[in-house]
Amino acid sequence: NAGVTQTPKFRVLKTGQSMTLLCAQDMNHEYMYWYRQDPGMGLRLIHYSVGEGTTAKGEVPDGYNVSRLKKQNFLLGLESAAPSQTSVYFCASSYGSLSPLHFGNGTRLTVT
Amino acid sequence: SQQGEEDPQALSIQEGENATMNCSYKTSINNLQWYRQNSGRGLVHLILIRSNEREKHSGRLRVTLDTSKKSSSLLITASRAADTASYFCATALKPRGSARQLTFGSGTQLTVLP
Repeated sequence: NAGVTQTPKFRVLKTGQSMTLLCAQDMNHEYMYWYRQDPGMGLRLIHYSVGEGTTAKGEVPDGYNVSRLKKQNFLLGLESAAPSQTSVYFCASSYGSLSPLHFGNGTRLTVT
Repeated sequence: SQQGEEDPQALSIQEGENATMNCSYKTSINNLQWYRQNSGRGLVHLILIRSNEREKHSGRLRVTLDTSKKSSSLLITASRAADTASYFCATALKPRGSARQLTFGSGTQLTVLP
């Protein structure tokens, strides 16, 4: 039982490049989330999904897009990376909107 | 702005001592959750306390919630070196949309010295 799996684990991008972060969960959870974690800032919600085919904006959505074509997958895209997007990105899933979150181990992204 | 704020930001204790971390929040909540994060890893859920509960236990963990003061505390008893980690509180809010979201504080870094 893998839980929540994120790929890749590390990535370095140049300013203006694009990339997609992949998140997969095998717990049949309806809710999925993308957070970013920066020193001293805690975790901030980027986008989330309440079910297959749905997405919604979180606290810091600018510069990111997401898609949830399949229930088990939640993709986070950066169309034109900026140095301000250097961060550690965490995907999480939950059974319900108030339920505990299950986190992946993160993707460390550096934009130069 | 952060909904939940942990205090202290950093805490260093000797193995065997108790560790207490506090969390304050600003608006009404449905529940409050505590998570642990080991270095380089994702967060792991520890315990959830609902707004109508005042205290909850799980092994060496004890969580209290005071909704009148909008605060919670996490007590780890008989700490071990393996408890060294960052601890976060997260509050379940209800924004304007139908889905609730968890809002995290910036965490307390706990170091347990052997």
